[in-house]
Amino acid sequence: NAGVTQTPKFQVLKTGQSMTLQCAQDMNHEYMSWYRQDPGMGLRLIHYSVGAGITDQGEVPNGYNVSRSTTEDFPLRLLSAAPSQTSVYFCASSYYPPGQGSSYEQYFGPGTRLTVT
Amino acid sequence: GDSVTQMEGPVTLSEEAFLTINCTYTATGYPSLFWYVQYPGEGLQLLLKATKADDKGSNKGFEATYRKETTSFHLEKGSVQVSDSAVYFCALSTKLQFGAGTQVVVTP
Repeated sequence: NAGVTQTPKFQVLKTGQSMTLQCAQDMNHEYMSWYRQDPGMGLRLIHYSVGAGITDQGEVPNGYNVSRSTTEDFPLRLLSAAPSQTSVYFCASSYYPPGQGSSYEQYFGPGTRLTVT
Repeated sequence: GDSVTQMEGPVTLSEEAFLTINCTYTATGYPSLFWYVQYPGEGLQLLLKATKADDKGSNKGFEATYRKETTSFHLEKGSVQVSDSAVYFCALSTKLQFGAGTQVVVTP
């Protein structure tokens, strides 16, 4: 298994440009999520999905869009990049969504380092 | 709501020293508890987990015991190596969010 893969690894955008960060998993996980990691802020949840066709917002969703047309893929779209979106982005997946009865851990991709100038 | 409190870093120590990272939690039910580790330039990966009270998770020389009476899940390692330098995150199964983690720096 490749696990969770993310592309690209690095990206530089100009303010106002749009782009899509790709995320794919081959573990047949129902739950997928996107985080951003900034110095001193930990990981903050952007969007998540509990299955194909179902998405929901996390704590910092503004400026980002997601869709989940297949179980495997969960792309993150930046609609109009801003310098405040400079960050490292991680995609994660899990067999079940985090919840009361779940003991399933999350699997993380290697990250995409995005710089917006 | 459910939450974890983790000691702030950075924690700097010498090789072969004993490491403890404190983690306490607040939860209304019986969550599973996790420690994740993030090595420089990489994503998070599961280090160990415990699914019920008094369970001990262990991996790579690290241990943590799920203590319901003290609502704690402290991470310990008896003799750290330079390769243990990383950021460590304590997490609850009932929360989607992660905190800032604890950076550990081990010097030769």
